[in-house]
Amino acid sequence: GDSVTQMEGPVTLSEEAFLTINCTYTATGYPSLFWYVQYPGEGLQLLLKATKADDKGSNKGFEATYRKETTSFHLEKGSVQVSDSAVYFCALIGAGGTSYGKLTFGQGTILTVHP
Amino acid sequence: DVKVTQSSRYLVKRTGEKVFLECVQDMDHENMFWYRQDPGLGLRLIYFSYDVKMKEKGDIPEGYSVSREKKERFSLILESASTNQTSMYLCASSLKLRGVLGETQYFGPGTRLLVL
Repeated sequence: GDSVTQMEGPVTLSEEAFLTINCTYTATGYPSLFWYVQYPGEGLQLLLKATKADDKGSNKGFEATYRKETTSFHLEKGSVQVSDSAVYFCALIGAGGTSYGKLTFGQGTILTVHP
Repeated sequence: DVKVTQSSRYLVKRTGEKVFLECVQDMDHENMFWYRQDPGLGLRLIYFSYDVKMKEKGDIPEGYSVSREKKERFSLILESASTNQTSMYLCASSLKLRGVLGETQYFGPGTRLLVL
């Protein structure tokens, strides 16, 4: 079945540092790809998404590009803030077979940003 | 904005009790989902529903059941709670856009359940 692998955390950065959280996936066909964020004590919020190869999703200074050739969807931000401290989840919705329409999550990456 | 609400933020129950977790969405979404979230495992799908009175098993349905009598409400039921069901439970909803299960899912704040 489909699967999503995220870089292991936790990730600790200083404010204004560059952020990369790696995400790779295994899926049949052309899945849709997502990044969700979970702030402390809250549910998941959609951060950005991309639905086809080479699409770039962006929101709140975060970006991720759908790379079919490397099956990746890495999350980046040029300058992180303390308020970005949260858990980040990479996810996909399957496009084929028994995975069609099913949302599959990575294990999550904890990001802590210090002033 | 889409709003998904869950009946409790924190719940403590005893082994063997019957537990009801309620989820309500206010955006007329066709699809609703229940997940559990555990450290190191991410989110795992328990059950989903794509219409009133319809339900489908997810990846880990054992020990759970669901009910969807109205479009806006989706209930998760633990028939006889066990300690290994201690977890964070998240409800989500989405429009029926592509195929049966739609795309962007909107999540509630979660219910943290402790089974003693």
